[in-house]
Amino acid sequence: QKEVEQDPGPLSVPEGAIVSLNCTYSNSAFQYFMWYRQYSRKGPELLMYTYSSGNKEDGRFTAQVDKSSKYISLFIRDSQPSDSATYLCAMRGEYNFNKFYFGSGTKLNVKP
Amino acid sequence: DGGITQSPKYLFRKEGQNVTLSCEQNLNHDAMYWYRQDPGQGLRLIYYSQIVNDFQKGDIAEGYSVSREKKESFPLTVTSAQKNPTAFYLCASSIVSSGRSTGELFFGEGSRLTVL
Repeated sequence: QKEVEQDPGPLSVPEGAIVSLNCTYSNSAFQYFMWYRQYSRKGPELLMYTYSSGNKEDGRFTAQVDKSSKYISLFIRDSQPSDSATYLCAMRGEYNFNKFYFGSGTKLNVKP
Repeated sequence: DGGITQSPKYLFRKEGQNVTLSCEQNLNHDAMYWYRQDPGQGLRLIYYSQIVNDFQKGDIAEGYSVSREKKESFPLTVTSAQKNPTAFYLCASSIVSSGRSTGELFFGEGSRLTVL
C-alpha cells in the first residue's frame, strides 16, 4: 500500500464550479500537509501549507486536514480555466525533514 | 526575486554520456533536494543535502551523483550507469531550523532529460 493515495483523474468541470481534490494517507505521524499546482512541463508551485489538523483559506482555495480519517482536501471555489493543471498533495512527519511523501497527482480540466 | 533556477530546461543525451543538471537557489535555504518525476508516479527522491559538503542518498540514488560545495548550489550528475534516465528532474529547497525543516518545499521549474 502506498503511503499517500490520490485519484489521478482526469477531473473535468465547467468554469465556476467548486472543485474538491482529495488525498488519503496511512501514516498517522504526518504533521505537515501541502498542496501543489503543476502546469504542464513546469515545476510544482506551492499553493497551501498546513500544520496538523484544521482548515486554511487563501482566496479561492481552502485546504482541510482531517487527521482522524487520514484525509486531506483542497477546495477550489469559482474555478477558472487557468486552474487547469495537475494538483499534487504532499506530506511529512515532524522530524524527518528529508522525507516528503507525494501523491501521484490529480489532473484537473476546467472548461470555459 | 528569490527562487530556484534550474538549467538547462531541456537536455538531450546519447547513451553512455554523463550529464550535469544545474540547480541554484537564492532563498538562503539550508536543505536542497533532487526529485525525479515520471508520468503517473509521485515524485521520487534522488539525493538531498542539509548542509554544505554533506548529502545523503534518497530512494533512487543509483546512477546519480551530487555535490554541495556552496549553500546556493546543488548540481546533479546523471551518469551512464543510470539505466532509464529519461525523466523530468526537479530541484527543491526548504528552510531548516534547529535541525528540522519547517515543512514547506519549494521547487524549481524542472529539467527535462531525454536519452536518444
